[in-house]
Amino acid sequence: AQSVSQHNHHVILSEAASLELGCNYSYGGTVNLFWYVQYPGQHLQLLLKYFSGDPLVKGIKGFEAEFIKSKFSFNLRKPSVQWSDTAEYFCAFWPRYGNNRLAFGKGNQVVVIP
Amino acid sequence: GAGVSQSPRYKVTKRGQDVALRCDPISGHVSLYWYRQALGQGPEFLTYFNYEAQQDKSGLPNDRFSAERPEGSISTLTIQRTEQRDSAMYRCASSSLGRGNSGANVLTFGAGSRLTVL
Repeated sequence: AQSVSQHNHHVILSEAASLELGCNYSYGGTVNLFWYVQYPGQHLQLLLKYFSGDPLVKGIKGFEAEFIKSKFSFNLRKPSVQWSDTAEYFCAFWPRYGNNRLAFGKGNQVVVIP
Repeated sequence: GAGVSQSPRYKVTKRGQDVALRCDPISGHVSLYWYRQALGQGPEFLTYFNYEAQQDKSGLPNDRFSAERPEGSISTLTIQRTEQRDSAMYRCASSSLGRGNSGANVLTFGAGSRLTVL
């Protein structure tokens, strides 16, 4: 079964601090990977995605994620967060040749203190 | 439309009542997905359509839940005889690519419909 693990459900940090959110997926085949973000009062939005090629992916607002196949991981990073990064972040994946069922993790609630 | 539109945004109902949640996908999008998100959890897959065909309904929790997309555009998720455990955010998403194209597929989500069953 497809599953996604996200650790440290609640993260609180100060502005300018660095952020790293862990994501591990469970699936034996080739996958496409995503990070979605939900800002307060808004809908789920795509932050970045990985399909193939360079495993270091850059997304919007200075976020990046690195796919490490051997570790089944797709961790999200931002070197210096801003108050506006306060949001809930979800890691997701689906099999590239499979069931068209996007599996999400439980999410990370990130609060950035000004 | 410009984005995925869901209605109602908020629905409060009494246990035992039926509810219908509507999703209007991005114009021209082939696939439409329904997800459910309980408090403190990530979105969970319910079902998806390619055009009007329901391709996978394995995520529907029981036979009180059904979905349709009769003309390949707007979709309705219906919950019959609602129970308190049905309270959740129901999210709809659409994509321009259909089944078999998950290699380049990206889902665009609507704002969701928050259902509260008293």
